[in-house]
Amino acid sequence: EAGVAQSPRYKIIEKRQSVAFWCNPISGHATLYWYQQILGQGPKLLIQFQNNGVVDDSQLPKDRFSAERLKGVDSTLKIQPAKLEDSAVYLCASSQRTGIGYTFGSGTRLTVV
Amino acid sequence: TQLLEQSPQFLSIQEGENLTVYCNSSSVFSSLQWYRQEPGEGPVLLVTVVTGGEVKKLKRLTFQFGDARKDSSLHITAAQPGDTGLYLCAGARSGGGADGLTFGKGTHLIIQP
Repeated sequence: EAGVAQSPRYKIIEKRQSVAFWCNPISGHATLYWYQQILGQGPKLLIQFQNNGVVDDSQLPKDRFSAERLKGVDSTLKIQPAKLEDSAVYLCASSQRTGIGYTFGSGTRLTVV
Repeated sequence: TQLLEQSPQFLSIQEGENLTVYCNSSSVFSSLQWYRQEPGEGPVLLVTVVTGGEVKKLKRLTFQFGDARKDSSLHITAAQPGDTGLYLCAGARSGGGADGLTFGKGTHLIIQP
C-alpha cells in the first residue's frame, strides 16, 4: 500500500510571498488532515476534510491559510502571505474512517526568511 | 483547550535500561494514540488505546490508558539504540465526526549503545 505522498519536501520563501503544498492520501481514505509542526513541538491540527467537505477548520488562520480538497482525493494547503512564524513542517495525514489511527506523510519543511 | 503534558521532555539512557514516558491531561479523551517520529519523517502510529485501564503490549513496549481516560504511559523494557526517536502522545476528541488529534510536545529519547 502506497503511503501518503507530499510535495515539495522542502521550500524556502521570503516573508510576504505565497506558497502551496500538495498531498495525495492513501487510496480510499476518506478523511484527510493537515497539521503544522513547529520545531520542538507536537503537530497542531489545521484542518480536517471528510471526502471534499471541511469537518474542522477551527485552528486554521483563515486570514492567510486556505485549503481545498476539490475531488475528495488530493488536497492543497496555501499560505498567502507567509510570515516568519509560519516556518514549520506541514504534515498531511489520512485515515480510512474517523476514530482510528492515521498515516502521516513525510511532511513539507517550510522556511520563511 | 485540551492540553497534553508529556514528561520527561528529554531522556538519554544506556542500552538495556528500562524507561517510562508519561502523558497527562486534565481532559478526558475518547482514545489516546502513541506515535514515534524520526527526523525528517512524519509520525508513525504505534498504538491506540480506547478503554480506561487498557494495557497493550507491542514487543518491548507496554502502553497503558488511565482508568479515567485522562492519562497514559509508555514503558520500554531493555531499551535498544533502535528505540531512539521522538515519542508523541495524542488524544482524540469525539463527536460530530471531528476527530483531529491534540498532540503533546513529545519526549526525545536517546538510547546510547
